[in-house]
Amino acid sequence: EDKVVQSPLSLVVHEGDTVTLNCSYEVTNFRSLLWYKQEKKAPTFLFMLTSSGIEKKSGRLSSILDKKELSSILNITATQTGDSAIYLCAVTDSWGKLQFGAGTQVVVTP
Amino acid sequence: GAVVSQHPSRVICKSGTSVKIECRSLDFQATTMFWYRQFPKQSLMLMATSNEGSKATYEQGVEKDKFLINHASLTLSTLTVTSAHPEDSSFYICSATPGQGASYGYTFGSGTRLTVV
Repeated sequence: EDKVVQSPLSLVVHEGDTVTLNCSYEVTNFRSLLWYKQEKKAPTFLFMLTSSGIEKKSGRLSSILDKKELSSILNITATQTGDSAIYLCAVTDSWGKLQFGAGTQVVVTP
Repeated sequence: GAVVSQHPSRVICKSGTSVKIECRSLDFQATTMFWYRQFPKQSLMLMATSNEGSKATYEQGVEKDKFLINHASLTLSTLTVTSAHPEDSSFYICSATPGQGASYGYTFGSGTRLTVV
């Protein structure tokens, strides 16, 4: 059975800290891994990763995929209170079906 | 960028009635749309995948007769919760992609908070 596991489930950090979120997966016919940020409503897209070992960056956020380890990490450096959210990892198969992990709740305190 | 509009954003209905939620892709043709539900403090659970012009594919445990999905055009998919009960209260989100497969991006609607009283 396909599954996507995120860790930790939640964490609290101080502003300025760096956080690393983990996502591991077991998916038949893996195609890509996506990271989303969810605040109050629908998730907003962060990254789509298809190739192993190539880091994607967007400002203070970066992510990388390791297909050998079937995992990905999402890094947030110099965290700000606005980074407080649930971060969702999702994996797609060759049919485009998106399966989500349980999410990691990040709380950044001033 | 791609925009998906979901309507209504919030609905309260009486038990036993039906509620229709619309999901529209505004600036692209969505070959495939997905419907999710999310319970408080939980992740998004895929309910069904709908492809334009064909029947939706439902995930295991999702009642197709209760959650009717129609994807009659390339820009519109609807989810109808029939004979709603309080346990159907949840956050429903759609997402759309211009093509099948993982080569295309996925855009989410803003979600619909359904409360059945």
